Parts: sequence; structure tokens; C-alpha cells
Amino acid sequence: DGGITQSPKYLFRKEGQNVTLSCEQNLNHDAMYWYRQDPGQGLRLIYYSQIVNDFQKGDIAEGYSVSREKKESFPLTVTSAQKNPTAFYLCASSIQLGGYTFGSGTRLTVV
Amino acid sequence: GENVEQHPSTLSVQEGDSAVIKCTYSDSASNYFPWYKQELGKGPQLIIDIRSNVGEKKDQRIAVTLNKTAKHFSLHITETQPEDSAVYFCAASPRSFAAGNKLTFGGGTRVLVKP
Repeated sequence: DGGITQSPKYLFRKEGQNVTLSCEQNLNHDAMYWYRQDPGQGLRLIYYSQIVNDFQKGDIAEGYSVSREKKESFPLTVTSAQKNPTAFYLCASSIQLGGYTFGSGTRLTVV
Repeated sequence: GENVEQHPSTLSVQEGDSAVIKCTYSDSASNYFPWYKQELGKGPQLIIDIRSNVGEKKDQRIAVTLNKTAKHFSLHITETQPEDSAVYFCAASPRSFAAGNKLTFGGGTRVLVKP
């Protein structure tokens, strides 16, 4: 079955650590996206990539980094520069101008 | 950039009644308006969408209306059932090959259908 997989489901980070969230899709989608969701709030765009080896900052890119070396994969690194990283992170993919398919999310908690 | 506002933030309805969620957007270039349903601990799922050349679209118990002049669009759920309980998000995008496919989301509406 085609789909989009995020791992891990839960992640705990110590202060000052970098952590990487995985996002893999086998839908042959060109575009991939990372959104952050805080309790009771909407989704805010962190980074997006329309094609392999290219990505753009979204509305809240500070403290995050991404790479897009393969079409199937779009990992997100939450760096120590992100002052409030505790949130639910959602990855999505789409054909160039198509609807999004979301993963099940990664809940990141700073301990 | 685009700004999407969504109301109400919570909505409680009796089973069998209708639910209406409203969104407004700011960017007149936006031309694509999807609605997503998110169940607890899961990613959002697309339930219906509408493009700017259409005023209304219906899919069984769900309908969406768009007023381009007023820059607002609404989701209507009729004959609500307990499984409709979830968080609903509206979104907008100036979808084109030049502008890309970024979605700007509203703040979400938590819908509770009481049996």
C-alpha cells in the first residue's frame, strides 16, 4: 500500500540536543512539506520541497533544517536553536499541484 | 502572505443536527480551498475541496460553499453522526506552477457530536 510514514511516533529531546524526524513516502510524490501543530492551534509551515535537491523556508523555519536528497525522503532536524520545540510535527506529500497526504505525526517533547 | 481565520473554535451539536464551520482568507490570489478532518493522535485527512471557479460542491453529507467576492468559504455537515466528532481545518492556497502548492491553514474547529 502506498503511504507516508513518519518515525518515531514519540520523541524526547534534552535541552541543547539536535533531533531528526523521519518522513518517507512511497507515493511517487514530487512535493513534500513539514508542518508544526501546537495544542489547539492550526498547522504552520516549517519547510517545503517541490523537487529533489531543492527546498524553501516556510513561515516558521528558524531553528529547523531539512534535506531532500531522495524523492522518497524529507527528514526534519530540530536544532538546539529552536527555543520551543515541544509540538506535534506533521509531514505531508503531494503531486505538484495535488491534494496533500499527511503522515501520522511525531510528537516531540523537551525533557 | 495568506492569512486564514476559522470560526468557531469549538462546536457542539446534537446527533442528527447540522454543523457549519466558516473560514475567511486574505489573499485574493488563493484559488484552492480544502477541508481536512483530524482525529485524535492522527494526521489530517482531506474530506472535500473546492476551486475558485466553483461556488459549491457536495459529497454525500458534506458540502462546501465559496464566496470569492467576500473571501469566505464554509463547510456544512448534515445529519451529523458521532463519528463526525473530530477537529476540522480549512486551508487556502494560490495554487499554480509559479506559486507552488503551499497550504495556509485556519486554526481548527473541534466538533463534538452528542448522541
